[in-house]
Amino acid sequence: QVQLQESGPGLVKPSQTLSLTCTVSGVSINSGGYYWSWIRQSPGKGLEWIGCIFYSGSTYYNPSLKSRVTISVDTSKTHFSLTLRSVTAADTAVYFCAREEEHLEVSLGRYYYYMDVWGKGTTVTVSS
Amino acid sequence: DIQMTQSPSSVSASVGDRVTITCRASQGISSWLIWYQQKPGKAPKLLIYAASTLQSGVPSRFSGSGSGTDFTLTISSLQPEDFATYYCQQANSFPRTFGHGTKVEIK
Repeated sequence: QVQLQESGPGLVKPSQTLSLTCTVSGVSINSGGYYWSWIRQSPGKGLEWIGCIFYSGSTYYNPSLKSRVTISVDTSKTHFSLTLRSVTAADTAVYFCAREEEHLEVSLGRYYYYMDVWGKGTTVTVSS
Repeated sequence: DIQMTQSPSSVSASVGDRVTITCRASQGISSWLIWYQQKPGKAPKLLIYAASTLQSGVPSRFSGSGSGTDFTLTISSLQPEDFATYYCQQANSFPRTFGHGTKVEIK
C-alpha cells in the first residue's frame, strides 16, 4: 500500500525559507511512470499546484512560484522535498504531497495522468 | 496556463437528488480531465480520470462526461457521504490547474 506523509515546521517567519519533506512508502520514487507533486490549499480556498518531479529527475513548476521553488528527491529515494524561499503571509496554507500516475490506457493507446495517492497534508503558517 | 471554471460554486441538495457539476477549460484539453472529492480537513480523493473513467472503489453513482473544453460530473443519487467539495483538474499540460471547487451542501 502506497503512503505519503508530509513533515516539516508548522511555523515559518516572513522572508525565510519553507522546507517540507514527503516520505514515500510502499513504492520506490525511482519507479517509472510517476510524478511526485506538491499542492497547497490556502485557508478556505481552492487547490494550487506548486510543481512536481518526474522519476527521471525532470522538474516542472508553477510559473507563479517558479522563481522561489525547488523540488528535489533525496539520494535515499525514499522521500522528496519542497523548498519555498522568501515566504510571505500569502504562503500560509495546507501543503499536500501527492503521486501523479502516468497511466497507459491500453485500449485507447494513450497516457492519462492523475493524482491517485495523497498525503494527509501539513499546515504551514507564515508569521513573525 | 489553462484556466478551469467550475459551476456552480455551491449547490444545495437532498439525499437521493441528482447533482450535476460542470467544468470548462479555457482551451481544449481532450479528455485529460480529472475529478476529485474533498471533505473538510482531508486530502482530495480521486474520483474520475480521463474525463469518464471511474477510479477503482468509487461508487457507480458517480459519472463523468465531456471532451475538449466542457465536462460534467454527475452524482445520480446523492448519498449522505457525498456532501463535500468537488474539484476538476486538467492534466493536459503543465502547470496543472484546478477549478475553484463546487461545494455540495445539505438542503
